[in-house]
Amino acid sequence: QTVLTQPPSVSGAPGQRVTISCTGSSSNLGAGYDVHWYQQVPGTAPKLLIYGNKNRPSGVPDRFSGSKSGSSASLTITGLQAEDEADYYCQSYDDRLDGSRVFGTGTKVTVL
Amino acid sequence: QVQLVQSGAEVKRPGASVKVSCKASGYAFNTYDINWVRQGPGQGLEWMGWMNPNSGNTGYARRFQGRVSITRDSSITTAFLELRSLKSEDTAVYFCVRGRQWLAPFDLWGQGTLVTVPP
Repeated sequence: QTVLTQPPSVSGAPGQRVTISCTGSSSNLGAGYDVHWYQQVPGTAPKLLIYGNKNRPSGVPDRFSGSKSGSSASLTITGLQAEDEADYYCQSYDDRLDGSRVFGTGTKVTVL
Repeated sequence: QVQLVQSGAEVKRPGASVKVSCKASGYAFNTYDINWVRQGPGQGLEWMGWMNPNSGNTGYARRFQGRVSITRDSSITTAFLELRSLKSEDTAVYFCVRGRQWLAPFDLWGQGTLVTVPP
């Protein structure tokens, strides 16, 4: 059951800006629940990238930014670097699913 | 060092059960929920359930209810995931994940445990 929808892939050249969307509904993002973003390099555990819609944990470069409006959210990488090639997932809470935390479908970012 | 260290890979027959452990260190175990998230081969992340180590309260994703249990042994700051009646579709990497409370982000992840259920 897909709850948060992301594009399967996005790509960009080094230095470019890329944006990943995360589309939800009235029971999750549209209900006002925060969105969080994770970065996963293949073969490793995910890492928290953005929390509470737009906040960066300590150590996360400021080229990563997040925003949320209504039932949608987005993650932007400004000044794409080779090491940003990874999978990215949004995550929130859905109040129609027995207290379920829900993840987005995931987006593969390729640096050309 | 703040970390979650999980037990090693498992291979199980269909119908069997598996129990994965997650040892927490470097922080107050009882002050953060432990969640379990799994990732099938080439697939996305799937949340399975949560546990409050202080109260022992749990909650599970609907699709796993009746087949999953999350428990803890606070004396050794370790959480456990047990999944029963395994099927080949349960082949995945299982992650334990820390979160402060129900709406908080998952700020610390274990290294993952591969569970393989051959068809």
